[in-house]
Amino acid sequence: QVQLVQSGAEVKKPGASVHISCKASGYTFTGHYMHWVRQAPGQGLEWMGIINPTAGSTSYAQKFQGRVTMTRDTSTSTVYMELRSLTSEDTALYYCARDLPPDCTNGVCFPKYYFDHWGQGTLVTVSS
Amino acid sequence: QSVLTQPPSVSGAPGQRVTISCTGSSSNIGAGNVVDWYQQFPGTAPKLLIYGNTNRPSGVPDRFSGSKSGTSASLAISGLQSEDEADYFCQSYDISLSCSVFGGGTKLTVL
Repeated sequence: QVQLVQSGAEVKKPGASVHISCKASGYTFTGHYMHWVRQAPGQGLEWMGIINPTAGSTSYAQKFQGRVTMTRDTSTSTVYMELRSLTSEDTALYYCARDLPPDCTNGVCFPKYYFDHWGQGTLVTVSS
Repeated sequence: QSVLTQPPSVSGAPGQRVTISCTGSSSNIGAGNVVDWYQQFPGTAPKLLIYGNTNRPSGVPDRFSGSKSGTSASLAISGLQSEDEADYFCQSYDISLSCSVFGGGTKLTVL
């Protein structure tokens, strides 16, 4: 069965960086785009970005441009998300979420932005 | 402030039908982009409930249905059950922001 297992909770000081992993299993890793979504305590969901596990290409929400980097390791079926220059407003649960299979035509693929499987979440607390 | 607007809460008695609205704009729902719905219980990750406006993933009861018209979408839950008590989020793609956007979430209370 599909599983997305994320790394454990982190406590960081303002200005620091956090690095979260998401290990996928139970499906063909390169067959599905992966997203990162966060949820501040008691708040709604916020999309952060997407990575193509095949090409490693990424697209980030404007809000996080310059502060976030998403990467992948196909040998271990793992995606990573690094967020830098943390502030207290970055305190949140961070989720990786798998997309449905992309629409592909003539070798060009487009993600669907449907999040059908989610990791368990990684709590990041930013506090001095 | 969420790009998509949902009512903060809705409620209904067991067996009743409730609807949750999701209002967007011409740059997301109104641009023809599909709407998805997620169900989230406290302390757990969201679960895909409806995708592509009206489609249910395998295992989702047909008591849940989605619709879309113009710049808005709705999630309907019929035959309300106590286990439906959860938070519900709508989601679409915004072409102006070039990103996925969510509603602020609606808390469903089963009376």
